[in-house]
Amino acid sequence: GNSVTQMEGPVTLSEEAFLTINCTYTATGYPSLFWYVQYPGEGLQLLLKATKADDKGSNKGFEATYRKETTSFHLEKGSVQVSDSAVYFCALETGGGNKLTFGTGTQLKVEL
Amino acid sequence: GAVVSQHPSRVICKSGTSVKIECRSLDFQATTMFWYRQFPKQSLMLMATSNEGSKATYEQGVEKDKFLINHASLTLSTLTVTSAHPEDSSFYICSARAGRGKETQYFGPGTRLLVL
Repeated sequence: GNSVTQMEGPVTLSEEAFLTINCTYTATGYPSLFWYVQYPGEGLQLLLKATKADDKGSNKGFEATYRKETTSFHLEKGSVQVSDSAVYFCALETGGGNKLTFGTGTQLKVEL
Repeated sequence: GAVVSQHPSRVICKSGTSVKIECRSLDFQATTMFWYRQFPKQSLMLMATSNEGSKATYEQGVEKDKFLINHASLTLSTLTVTSAHPEDSSFYICSARAGRGKETQYFGPGTRLLVL
C-alpha cells in the first residue's frame, strides 16, 4: 500500500536559517506529491505540489523536487522566518484523485 | 482561497452519547467531502469519502454504523460519532473539493473530541 515517511520534529531553527524537511514515499503507480502546511488554529493548506518525476513545486520561497529514483520529495527553504512556524505534512495521491495519504507531520519552530 | 469551517472546534462528552460534527464549505460548492481522523503524533487517516446526495464510501476498518456521515447539501457534511467511547477521542478533520477529479482539497481546522 501507499505510505509517506517524514522526519520527526520538532525542528527548531533560527530566523534566516536553511530548512530541509525530509519526505520519502512508497506508492503503487505514479503518485502526485504534496506539501501541506497547518498554522496554529487553522486547517491544512496546500503549500506546493508536483505531479510527475523531476517536477519542482514552489511557493512562498519553499521548494520540493519530485525524485522518483530516491522516492523523495524533500521540502526546502533558503531562509526561514518566524511566520513559517507551523506543522508541515507531506502527502501523496494516486489513482483518480480521491485519496490522500499523509505523513505524520513535522512541526517547525523558527526563533528570532 | 476557499474556506472550510468545522463546528464545534472541540467537544467533551460522556461515554455512550452521540456527537455531531459539522463541516461547511463557506464560499464554494463541495461536490465531495472527506473525513479524516488524526491521533497524536500520527498522520491523518482517511475515514470516508462522501459525495453530495449519495452514501459515503468508508475506508477499510472504519465502522459505518459508528461513524454516520451525511452529505445532504453541496455546502454541508456531518459526521456523527454514535455511542461514543473513550477510544473515539481524537482530532477529526474534514476537507472539501469542488469537483470529483483532481481539484485541490480544502481543509477545515479540525474538531477535538474527548470522550470521558
